[in-house]
Amino acid sequence: NAGVMQNPRHLVRRRGQEARLRCSPMKGHSHVYWYRQLPEEGLKFMVYLQKENIIDESGMPKERFSAEFPKEGPSILRIQQVVRGDSAAYFCASSPEAGGENRPQHFGDGTRLSIL
Amino acid sequence: GEDVEQSLFLSVREGDSSVINCTYTDSSSTYLYWYKQEPGAGLQLLTYIFSNMDMKQDQRLTVLLNKKDKHLSLRIADTQTGDSAIYFCAELNQAGTALIFGKGTTLSVSS
Repeated sequence: NAGVMQNPRHLVRRRGQEARLRCSPMKGHSHVYWYRQLPEEGLKFMVYLQKENIIDESGMPKERFSAEFPKEGPSILRIQQVVRGDSAAYFCASSPEAGGENRPQHFGDGTRLSIL
Repeated sequence: GEDVEQSLFLSVREGDSSVINCTYTDSSSTYLYWYKQEPGAGLQLLTYIFSNMDMKQDQRLTVLLNKKDKHLSLRIADTQTGDSAIYFCAELNQAGTALIFGKGTTLSVSS
């Protein structure tokens, strides 16, 4: 499967713990995007990264959330000291370049995060 | 700011055409997209249209863009039960870095 791979598919954490969500982009894609989907809502942009660089983090909460896309390995979305309101589906997308024709974002199947 | 609006529900009979509508606010949007989400799954890219086009057809899917009214529609011909899903309209933001999504239209197809 050459698609966007996210793991885990489901993650359960207790309040105060840390959550780490992983995303491997499609082969040949060097741009990664993270979105959050709350119940019965559309997806909300969080952050856009290229290898080793955060390009746009305008949708990322200022505290507890961080993202990285290292030179080697998957992109990681990290949520520290999780709270109940962090319960959501987190989707990763990738593209070969940002925006534009023939460069649409392709999505993974998401990680469903549940906070107890 | 950038915003995308969609009707929440649409119910059709198998074999009929479905039309899902969307309005957006950013007149400088260059690309507009339609994604499909089945229960428990990610988003599947269905089609997209560049803002200098009025129409794009791809098999059973027809996208119409009225740039003056900032209105986008997705028509599904000969709708099947397998088309039942949530359909999201999205525009690319001005910076080209993020998609702005509507809340999604739940399409229900009855046989």
